[in-house]
Amino acid sequence: EAGVAQSPRYKIIEKRQSVAFWCNPISGHATLYWYQQILGQGPKLLIQFQNNGVVDDSQLPKDRFSAERLKGVDSTLKIQPAKLEDSAVYLCASSLALSGSKTGELFFGEGSRLTVL
Amino acid sequence: QQQVKQSPQSLIVQKGGISIINCAYENTAFDYFPWYQQFPGKGPALLIAIRPDVSEKKEGRFTISFNKSAKQFSLHIMDSQPGDSATYFCAARHLGGYSSASKIIFGSGTRLSIRP
Repeated sequence: EAGVAQSPRYKIIEKRQSVAFWCNPISGHATLYWYQQILGQGPKLLIQFQNNGVVDDSQLPKDRFSAERLKGVDSTLKIQPAKLEDSAVYLCASSLALSGSKTGELFFGEGSRLTVL
Repeated sequence: QQQVKQSPQSLIVQKGGISIINCAYENTAFDYFPWYQQFPGKGPALLIAIRPDVSEKKEGRFTISFNKSAKQFSLHIMDSQPGDSATYFCAARHLGGYSSASKIIFGSGTRLSIRP
């Protein structure tokens, strides 16, 4: 079974530039997440989709970050304009479900490492 | 408070020893407590998980101990091996409500190094 695919793996940009990350979840997984992992910290949830609808974006800096999940499959996360503090690994994860009796194990991609200079 | 506090930040254990990582939470709306393991350059992967209605869960050399009254849980790695060297994250699932979805909240991580 193919895992969660993310691209690009690495990206270096100047501050105030824009960047986009792509994620393709495991086939059949309805829930998709974008986490931000700053060096030395735990993953922080940015946005959560259920199919193609947003169910939680409370920690997404909406003035500069945006995300979409067209057709309920793959997703893109965009940052515009980037700031120095956006340097982090952006992790995409997917799960079958997260509520009710299902445990909702998260399957993570390898991440996209962003460096903002 | 939707937080999970994890300690220590880093840990060095001799091969064959026991590694212990601790986590604490405040919110009683957490209903599922997984541990994730992350190797450099990789995404986290589920290691073991527990529900609050049991006090202990063991899978091979990995054991979760859960103290519901103290709102604390810990990961024990018995007979620690160099291959266990990784970053470990405790986490908790926060139950959603009518207007919000369930979500997984992560601790800050423990960098474990096993000395050969």
